[in-house]
Amino acid sequence: SQQGEEDPQALSIQEGENATMNCSYKTSINNLQWYRQNSGRGLVHLILIRSNEREKHSGRLRVTLDTSKKSSSLLITASRAADTASYFCATVGDTGRRALTFGSGTRLQVQP
Amino acid sequence: NAGVTQTPKFQVLKTGQSMTLQCAQDMNHNSMYWYRQDPGMGLRLIYYSASEGTTDKGEVPNGYNVSRLNKREFSLRLESAAPSQTSVYFCASSEMEGYTQYFGPGTRLTVL
Repeated sequence: SQQGEEDPQALSIQEGENATMNCSYKTSINNLQWYRQNSGRGLVHLILIRSNEREKHSGRLRVTLDTSKKSSSLLITASRAADTASYFCATVGDTGRRALTFGSGTRLQVQP
Repeated sequence: NAGVTQTPKFQVLKTGQSMTLQCAQDMNHNSMYWYRQDPGMGLRLIYYSASEGTTDKGEVPNGYNVSRLNKREFSLRLESAAPSQTSVYFCASSEMEGYTQYFGPGTRLTVL
């Protein structure tokens, strides 16, 4: 079963707008990671946020983590057509196996 | 520096045939992983190798075997392919378990 669930499943916006994707998970985590996947390609790591962190920035990306609600959000500001991709959150548990468990993803379409 | 490479890129098998998917990384990473991705879904972990000489089952190991040949190479074998194994297979590596993962380009496998 998948640990993370992204919301929405699909999102369509205009270039220049902000895009927000949410991720909820079920068990305690060590860290949470966001990845991007362009159509037909492998995944590319975007950002990692540890369980003791609440917010992290990388360029136009902002990730927040609320461990009390077991949720995270990814904000892409001033989106571009090149941001069109699927975005996945993935969690690493704080006990046992330390492999990533992926959510089902959000498909983002940025219209030029 | 090629990162993570996978061969082949595409493969068509008949039910019952066997094949091995190859994966190699040149980043001196300790941990390696095999995932499958079905249409419209996130990645599911098949097997992983936390370090050279160790392998462990993931979420969906049935029908697969793996070999961590050395620190660089991690292969996935389908002994008797079934149509349910039609998927895109991704290999990934990370410096340590739970860290950022780097993905290969994937192998598209169709089992008829």
